[in-house]
Amino acid sequence: DAGITQSPRHKVTETGTPVTLRCHQTENHRYMYWYRQDPGHGLRLIHYSYGVKDTDKGEVSDGYSVSRSKTEDFLLTLESATSSQTSVYFCAMRQKSGNTEAFFGQGTRLTVV
Amino acid sequence: AQSVTQLDSQVPVFEEAPVELRCNYSSSVSVYLFWYVQYPNQGLQLLLKYLSGSTLVKGINGFEAEFNKSQTSFHLRKPSVHISDTAEYFCAVSDDTQGAQKLVFGQGTRLTINP
Repeated sequence: DAGITQSPRHKVTETGTPVTLRCHQTENHRYMYWYRQDPGHGLRLIHYSYGVKDTDKGEVSDGYSVSRSKTEDFLLTLESATSSQTSVYFCAMRQKSGNTEAFFGQGTRLTVV
Repeated sequence: AQSVTQLDSQVPVFEEAPVELRCNYSSSVSVYLFWYVQYPNQGLQLLLKYLSGSTLVKGINGFEAEFNKSQTSFHLRKPSVHISDTAEYFCAVSDDTQGAQKLVFGQGTRLTINP
């Protein structure tokens, strides 16, 4: 295994409630990413981190926030969940930028009802 | 900013037939290119990558891809597919600029192998 885990793996939540997804890595990789996967859209970048407390927005960041207080943990928060945020969320890590591959977690299936 | 287009959302083929999954990218700078595979209910894993050098790249499970700079393409091929190759395939690009951090994915191609 690549040393990256996501929790929870499945979650059902109600519209308007806050939700936090956790990504934990044991590889001391600098870069971490949150993507969402939806049919017909592939993987779209939500937010990413290039170090502790260093984060930036991706292409679909509205309604999401992130935090990285430790190298190993990258949290994704939906402040007030909406049905449009029903998706499969993937976390990934990279040792360096540019020419290095990303390693992915197993995904979290989130359903907002 | 870079972008990736996978030209086919679904590709059905018969077992033992050859297959090509198409990927085109757009970038104003040099790029690194990747193909990932996602089996049902799993995360993504790397099939192969182009960083520099030979434009023909070989990966796992008998897959290969060819980087064509003039056509800005990175098509994935396999000469003879198996049922176990049924999966979704994603092309991704990362650029060569200093501090480049994003890995951008295409929309994915679902490969279905029929017996």
